[in-house]
Amino acid sequence: GQQLNQSPQSMFIQEGEDVSMNCTSSSIFNTWLWYKQDPGEGPVLLIALYKAGELTSNGRLTAQFGITRKDSFLNISASIPSDVGIYFCAGQVLNFGNEKLTFGTGTRLTIIP
Amino acid sequence: NAGVMQNPRHLVRRRGQEARLRCSPMKGHSHVYWYRQLPEEGLKFMVYLQKENIIDESGMPKERFSAEFPKEGPSILRIQQVVRGDSAAYFCASSPSSKNIQYFGAGTRLSVL
Repeated sequence: GQQLNQSPQSMFIQEGEDVSMNCTSSSIFNTWLWYKQDPGEGPVLLIALYKAGELTSNGRLTAQFGITRKDSFLNISASIPSDVGIYFCAGQVLNFGNEKLTFGTGTRLTIIP
Repeated sequence: NAGVMQNPRHLVRRRGQEARLRCSPMKGHSHVYWYRQLPEEGLKFMVYLQKENIIDESGMPKERFSAEFPKEGPSILRIQQVVRGDSAAYFCASSPSSKNIQYFGAGTRLSVL
């Protein structure tokens, strides 16, 4: 099955730095979602985007739904230790019978002491 | 309100045995989705069920894999005659309707010896 292209694959940053990651697709999605996954756990929803061009914030996180509906980005400002984990984008078409999430390949965030 | 409950969290099977993975959706959720995650990869959609009906099984292997979501009780993902390649983390998600956010369980990690 299709997987979305996510970059960068991994990031090593210092505490307090800002983080930016993005996700691209060859096909259009009607919804973009960003999840975070900690080791041994399931993905937890961070932000959901429903309209092309939409910019949404959740605390230190900001995400945008690309105008072409084929991409999205996630920014994290002033990173803290608990931001460590793997971040996944996911796209959804949301037509009847096509509600599945298509996930990106993930961005692994590591904070260097 | 309890989240999506999956059990067991870890399952070890020998080649040729059967694996049964259970998922209890969040209260009030009648839509269940199963995803598989191989190490260092994103989640990949397997099957979408709505009480007693399979809506989309486009990601499910044609042989050995089956899923059900009975009127009463949890959703079950069944893998017959497991092979080493079935070793992965299997995640269940639920939503109250097809247009709503999918919330994930903590997953079942299947190891095939």
